[in-house]
This record gives sequence, C-alpha cells and structure tokens, in this order.
Amino acid sequence: DSGVTQTPKHLITATGQRVTLRCSPRSGDLSVYWYQQSLDQGLQFLIQYYNGEERAKGNILERFSAQQFPDLHSELNLSSLELGDSALYFCASSVSGGPANTGELFFGEGSRLTVL
Amino acid sequence: LAKTTQPISMDSYEGQEVNITCSHNNIATNDYITWYQQFPSQGPRFIIQGYKTKVTNEVASLFIPADRKSSTLSLPRVSLSDTAVYYCLVVEHTGRRALTFGSGTRLQVQP
Repeated sequence: DSGVTQTPKHLITATGQRVTLRCSPRSGDLSVYWYQQSLDQGLQFLIQYYNGEERAKGNILERFSAQQFPDLHSELNLSSLELGDSALYFCASSVSGGPANTGELFFGEGSRLTVL
Repeated sequence: LAKTTQPISMDSYEGQEVNITCSHNNIATNDYITWYQQFPSQGPRFIIQGYKTKVTNEVASLFIPADRKSSTLSLPRVSLSDTAVYYCLVVEHTGRRALTFGSGTRLQVQP
C-alpha cells in the first residue's frame, strides 16, 4: 500500500460525457502527479501540482483539467470523452517536487476508465 | 531535456543476475537517475535513485559511470516475480521539469 488513494477504481461511461477522478496523496506529500496509461502503452505525464499550484504540464488535452485543493487532494476532470480516452489514470505523490525533489513518486492503484 | 533509451525487452532465467542499461546522453548537472518497476495494471514502484558511481539497496544496484551518459540497473538473482517493466527516468533536481517515463524495458523471467 503506497498510501495514495484513488477513486473510483473503475468507471464506465459513454462518449461525450464528463468524469472526475480523485486522488488523495500520502500524508505530508505536497506534490501530486497525474499520468495516463493506455493499453500496453507507456505512462504519459499529464500534469503536476505542488502545494496547490501547477508545477509542470505534459501533453494534457484541453478537454482535461486538474486542480489541487488546499487539503492537497487533487481531481482530474475529463470532459467530452472519446473512445481513445479509455485508459488507466494514475495519481502519484511525492514529498517535495520542489527544490529538494528526489524523484521518488508513490503511485496509487489507478482509476480504470472505459469509454463506450 | 534528457531523453532516455532502453532495450524494449529482455529475457532471463531464475537465479541469474540481470543488467538493464539506460542511455541518457543529454543528462544535465542537476539531474538524477531513477528507476521504477511496474507490474501489469499497477502503478510503478520506485526502485533506486543515484547521481554518480554506485548505489545499492536491498532490491538492486545502480551503476553510473563518470560521464553519467548511461546507467545500469542490476537485479541480483532474479525470480519469476521480477517479471515486470522497468523504467529509467532522468529527474531534474529542482522539480520544475515533468517526470516523464519512457517506453521501459519489459523483463521476462523464466523458470
């Protein structure tokens, strides 16, 4: 158990719909990262937040958005869903992600999104 | 941005030592080298991190030559449960650059 909690674990929805994935980082971790992993594909970095502020951005689609709240949990919003958005979405957290970044990320178990 | 290159796949047998090499020619002074392991449908798990020379923990060793343009993850005496994808990452120390995973190396351990 990494200490990172993601909900829901599974989600099935239809094209055009909107979903929200939630992530609670490990206690004390300030950074949250979101990754997308399609079937048999590598991990695609989406976005990172550090203490409530956007820190780094990957190839995140405009239909996707995220935020980190004052209690440090994060949400990833996916809208106008397409079939190709079906994937495992991982959240990870780290202690810093700031000036003392060590690169050690703790990953959650992921949210599996299926778009039909 | 330091791009990493790893073999796509490797095969081994139980009890053997496995060495996975990663190339990162454009590594910068502030960059660290980090390795992760991922099992199917699970999030990656941190294995080891180093800056130069050799780092060892209870799971693996990481060898980094003086020029730091490559690194080698060494797994001693692998077992079937080491079958996984292994990712090499170059991590920028200040944390202002995205932590991107490459394609990884798929290790298959056979009995």
